[in-house]
Amino acid sequence: DTAVSQTPKYLVTQMGNDKSIKCEQNLGHDTMYWYKQDSKKFLKIMFSYNNKELIINETVPNRFSPKSPDKAHLNLHINSLELGDSAVYFCASSQTQNNEQFFGPGTRLTVL
Amino acid sequence: AQSVTQPDIHITVSEGASLELRCNYSYGATPYLFWYVQSPGQGLQLLLKYFSGDTLVQGIKGFEAEFKRSQSSFNLRKPSVHWSDAAEYFCAVGAQGGSEKLVFGKGTKLTVNP
Repeated sequence: DTAVSQTPKYLVTQMGNDKSIKCEQNLGHDTMYWYKQDSKKFLKIMFSYNNKELIINETVPNRFSPKSPDKAHLNLHINSLELGDSAVYFCASSQTQNNEQFFGPGTRLTVL
Repeated sequence: AQSVTQPDIHITVSEGASLELRCNYSYGATPYLFWYVQSPGQGLQLLLKYFSGDTLVQGIKGFEAEFKRSQSSFNLRKPSVHWSDAAEYFCAVGAQGGSEKLVFGKGTKLTVNP
């Protein structure tokens, strides 16, 4: 039983393209997150949604747009991809009032 | 705002030796503290967490960590390292109250020699 799943696992695309990454959790959590891990393994929060409402929006280019259709899903759409967007993107979820976050397996995005 | 420092970028130990990974945090109140492990090409797995109570917490895979408020530290320890422990280890701090971001340290890469 996969707790937090992401698709796709790998994504290779050209500069300027638009792509989406999907995340689903079956833990019944009401808070979901997107993190970016760069080539030096540094993990940084991008967005957080609680009950489909955006609550954390770090300094992220407008080209990145999260969408939460329901509590169990949080998707990340990226417009006009740039070389610097190449990274591993992790989705995570937690129960409100409890910061224990469960991470998905990651999506490795490579922009050529 | 909270912050985390992991002073050691890379540590190498021999299999069977003891291990201590250092973590120092900065936060104005009592934090939530976590250690995560990331094996190559994998996601992050929670090793252990501290919310309150006993300052020595036990985790999975034989790991433990001790919260020392006076030193703002949450060091991870294991008495005898196995080759399968080779991975990247991340300390993270969160704010009490939930629905807050975790702030991660930059990680410590552990290499285990046979």
